[in-house]
Amino acid sequence: QKEVEQNSGPLSVPEGAIASLNCTYSDRGSQSFFWYRQYSGKSPELIMFIYSNGDKEDGRFTAQLNKASQYVSLLIRDSQPSDSATYLCAVNSKAAGNKLTFGGGTRVLVKP
Amino acid sequence: GAGVSQTPSNKVTEKGKYVELRCDPISGHTALYWYRQSLGQGPEFLIYFQGTGAADDSGLPNDRFFAVRPEGSVSTLKIQRTERGDSAVYLCASSYFTARNNEQFFGPGTRLTVL
Repeated sequence: QKEVEQNSGPLSVPEGAIASLNCTYSDRGSQSFFWYRQYSGKSPELIMFIYSNGDKEDGRFTAQLNKASQYVSLLIRDSQPSDSATYLCAVNSKAAGNKLTFGGGTRVLVKP
Repeated sequence: GAGVSQTPSNKVTEKGKYVELRCDPISGHTALYWYRQSLGQGPEFLIYFQGTGAADDSGLPNDRFFAVRPEGSVSTLKIQRTERGDSAVYLCASSYFTARNNEQFFGPGTRLTVL
């Protein structure tokens, strides 16, 4: 079992719809959770982070964390063609040091 | 302000050669990280510096890989006797690490190709 798992996609979403991305992790000691967006040929860009159970909203993005289920998700509302990218989930735990453990990413395609 | 910078952006070398990759973190960031990303995969951790010392080098694949950060700012990742399997994008990240927050910001990466 991978430490951080994501569906590779592609997740095809009509423009204006909600894109829902999921991520599960195996380390129950995980404390910090991050979502990065990566355009093709570019480096990861931090878009959201969440530390506590519940929802965190930032503009069109909402991160949801459920530590009991070891599950973190990202919702993108009013999806735009410019949101087409790979979204990487990353997890940090004190026991593992300060490194981030990444999932393989979910590719999102927003169709006009 | 300026983000993380990395040089070179691309490096092509021959098998067996030595390469150095440079990372200049965001000013004021005390923590610096090196990751490696292969096509279609997420970044994989290599090494982490807090200040000048390597706090965690558990991700370095073997002793051909070495990194330094002599003055607590710029870091250099050094790869000896390169192999074709070392081909990847090498990413550097930095953070203003606190006990609570560890948001890491990535540089543009160095694409290493070993022929």
